[in-house]
Amino acid sequence: NAGVTQTPKFQVLKTGQSMTLQCAQDMNHEYMSWYRQDPGMGLRLIHYSVGAGITDQGEVPNGYNVSRSTTEDFPLRLLSAAPSQTSVYFCASSLTGNYGYTFGSGTRLTVV
Amino acid sequence: TQLLEQSPQFLSIQEGENLTVYCNSSSVFSSLQWYRQEPGEGPVLLVTVVTGGEVKKLKRLTFQFGDARKDSSLHITAAQPGDTGLYLCAGNKIIFGKGTRLHILP
Repeated sequence: NAGVTQTPKFQVLKTGQSMTLQCAQDMNHEYMSWYRQDPGMGLRLIHYSVGAGITDQGEVPNGYNVSRSTTEDFPLRLLSAAPSQTSVYFCASSLTGNYGYTFGSGTRLTVV
Repeated sequence: TQLLEQSPQFLSIQEGENLTVYCNSSSVFSSLQWYRQEPGEGPVLLVTVVTGGEVKKLKRLTFQFGDARKDSSLHITAAQPGDTGLYLCAGNKIIFGKGTRLHILP
């Protein structure tokens, strides 16, 4: 089983560039989430989805867009990258949300 | 805003010692999860607790959910170097604490 697959693993962007972080899961999970992890800040929720066509904002949504056209995929778009978006990004999925998430291995993003 | 406070932030102990880390909130949670994260990897789910007062054991790890479902603890018996990592608690589907960074010295 692939579980949750994130691509790319590493990315360097210039300020102002846009890009999409990909996330796919093959477990037929309804819940999917994007987090960023910064030193000393723990995991902060960016956006989440409770099913195809349904998304909502988390704690730190500014500068990011998401869509959920299929159950399997939940891409995260950076519209105009800023140095403050340098972070490690994790995608996670869960069948119901109540019994825990399966995480991808992360994307380490540097914005210069 | 629901918050999960984890303590201590950092803990460094000798192999073989026992330890307890805590996850506290002023809010009631319908369920609470514990994860362990190693460097360069995503968090891995250890356990989910859903009933107030519930105790679950995973080898040398004992997890307890408070009676009021506002807090939880993780107790490790006879810590091993392989227990080193960042321990995160999470509640109500999407809220995470900042974690306890545990280092076990051989």
